[in-house]
Amino acid sequence: QSALTQPASVSGSPGQSITIPCTGTSGDVGAYKCVSWYQQHPGKAPKLMIYDVSSRPSGVSHRFSGSKSGNTASLTISGLQAEDEAYYYCSTCTGASTIFGGGTKLTVL
Amino acid sequence: QVQLVQSGFELKKPGASVKVSCKASGYRFTSYALNWVRQVPGQGLEWMGWINTKTRVPSYAQGFTGRFVFSVDTSVNMAYMEISSLGPEDTAVYYCTRDITTASFDSWGQGTLVTVSS
Repeated sequence: QSALTQPASVSGSPGQSITIPCTGTSGDVGAYKCVSWYQQHPGKAPKLMIYDVSSRPSGVSHRFSGSKSGNTASLTISGLQAEDEAYYYCSTCTGASTIFGGGTKLTVL
Repeated sequence: QVQLVQSGFELKKPGASVKVSCKASGYRFTSYALNWVRQVPGQGLEWMGWINTKTRVPSYAQGFTGRFVFSVDTSVNMAYMEISSLGPEDTAVYYCTRDITTASFDSWGQGTLVTVSS
């Protein structure tokens, strides 16, 4: 199965809000409520930021939120901070498998 | 606290095999599936498959069948990922990760870099 589609990069200034889209198909993102988002800093393991489309694990800032409309899921980060600069990956289940997006580099200007 | 600790860096020659280990602690090992994820240097995450830690039955993603074997030893809370007939294309960081719901990976090992070079 093909990877989910994410923009290669997004950027924003401190304090601003940004949204990262993740586009799939009616057979993956559109069909299931198991979209997750991961943050990865260089040289580090990924960190779960959002699961089941919009749920936040304990300890993850409320500045991170997730949503889904049709075949596109989105991660919104409000009140951007320098520490948010990282790669972000979406993923979804597809019945018997899991697929990731290609990743988006977030730059905090 | 939940922890997954993986074995260290591996340098292998083409044609060799490698076995990466993942030691789980801080939770009931057999209550959660264990997944494996590959990351080629400079590239994105790629799901390799998972293993049911209770039944020990593995499931492999497309592209990870044949040379890849997942296993667990529940007596020591360890998971293993073995790759045979290594080639340069297998050079990557391999992560083990715990699945808390359907395809939601909340805890990750630190990653194991496997480098295949002659």
